[in-house]
Amino acid sequence: TQLLEQSPQFLSIQEGENLTVYCNSSSVFSSLQWYRQEPGEGPVLLVTVVTGGEVKKLKRLTFQFGDARKDSSLHITAAQPGDTGLYLCAGISGEGKIIFGKGTRLHILP
Amino acid sequence: SQTIHQWPATLVQPVGSPLSLECTVEGTSNPNLYWYRQAAGRGLQLLFYSVGIGQISSEVPQNLSASRPQDRQFILSSKKLLLSDSGFYLCAWSFSQGYEQYFGPGTRLTVT
Repeated sequence: TQLLEQSPQFLSIQEGENLTVYCNSSSVFSSLQWYRQEPGEGPVLLVTVVTGGEVKKLKRLTFQFGDARKDSSLHITAAQPGDTGLYLCAGISGEGKIIFGKGTRLHILP
Repeated sequence: SQTIHQWPATLVQPVGSPLSLECTVEGTSNPNLYWYRQAAGRGLQLLFYSVGIGQISSEVPQNLSASRPQDRQFILSSKKLLLSDSGFYLCAWSFSQGYEQYFGPGTRLTVT
């Protein structure tokens, strides 16, 4: 069974600090997505990474796909209260199935 | 552009009552459609997916069923709700299997 482990489960930091959250697996994925979900709403797709070693930037968010396409990280620079939410990673297997991690709940304190 | 709608947004139902949640997608044809349940703001549990009209695959045996009467309409149903059916239900679509999914706004179901 393919699993995606996200760490940490919870993170609470001050506004302006930097942070990194991780998404790890022992399995290879053809692509990986990151979503952000706010309370009471559906997850919103932030990015898809496809190539091993790929780095994508979305304003203050930097996403990296591991060289072996088994893991990914999300780095946020100068976190702001608007970054608060549940961050979910999802990997798509070679068979086309999508597998979600359980998420990292991020809280940015003003 | 594509949009996905879910209704109702919130629902409070007594145990033993029926359930019908609706999801519709606009702006695309023959999407893959998915129903998820999310507990306590955490991970997503895939309940059903559909690759076409009348084609439903169930991932977890349970008290719920799904139907796809039209290309862009996906319905989640139950004949008799259980307390354990409470949760946040999300509908999603993708262009095809193996592509990223796009989620609706969700339905908060409380069974009392």
